[in-house]
Amino acid sequence: AQTVTQSQPEMSVQEAETVTLSCTYDTSESNYYLFWYKQPPSRQMILVIRQEAYKQQNATENRFSVNFQKAAKSFSLKISDSQLGDTAMYFCAARLNNNDMRFGAGTRLTVKP
Amino acid sequence: DSGVTQTPKHLITATGQRVTLRCSPRSGDLSVYWYQQSLDQGLQFLIQYYNGEERAKGNILERFSAQQFPDLHSELNLSSLELGDSALYFCASSSGSLGELFFGEGSRLTVL
Repeated sequence: AQTVTQSQPEMSVQEAETVTLSCTYDTSESNYYLFWYKQPPSRQMILVIRQEAYKQQNATENRFSVNFQKAAKSFSLKISDSQLGDTAMYFCAARLNNNDMRFGAGTRLTVKP
Repeated sequence: DSGVTQTPKHLITATGQRVTLRCSPRSGDLSVYWYQQSLDQGLQFLIQYYNGEERAKGNILERFSAQQFPDLHSELNLSSLELGDSALYFCASSSGSLGELFFGEGSRLTVL
């Protein structure tokens, strides 16, 4: 069975600082994709970053980067130079060969001025 | 704008009633997914369709059903509604087998 676990229900960070959100997943498959989605107060689901499991290089999108540890089945999100607009729920997700995508419970991030 | 359209955006109804939520996927996307998000909760996978066929089923109640039509739009039918069915229902679509999902803005259902 595939599960995605986010162990931090809530986190906070000072504006301009760096924060890391944790995610672990469980799968026996070798080919899969991992994602981080952001859900601001508007409730819209916005893709932040994606990582293909067969790629060893960690994905980076501007201030967002991941630390993908395939053997440990860990996929953390680092947000650098945090901005007030980063305040949101962040969901980790995994998509396997059977095509469905499963989400973690989410981490509520608050960026403080 | 993700290109995924959901209607209605808001819906208020009474217990015991039936509602239908509609989703139009992005142009060219064959897969449609339905998720339920209760207040301050994560996204619960309900069901997935690919080109009209059911592909995967999650924690979908028997009172709920869905289908995908030849024009690829999808409908989620919720019947015998209960207070606990109040939630935000998301539709998402995808073109590839392992790519990201593109989400609609959701349909917020309130059952009174």
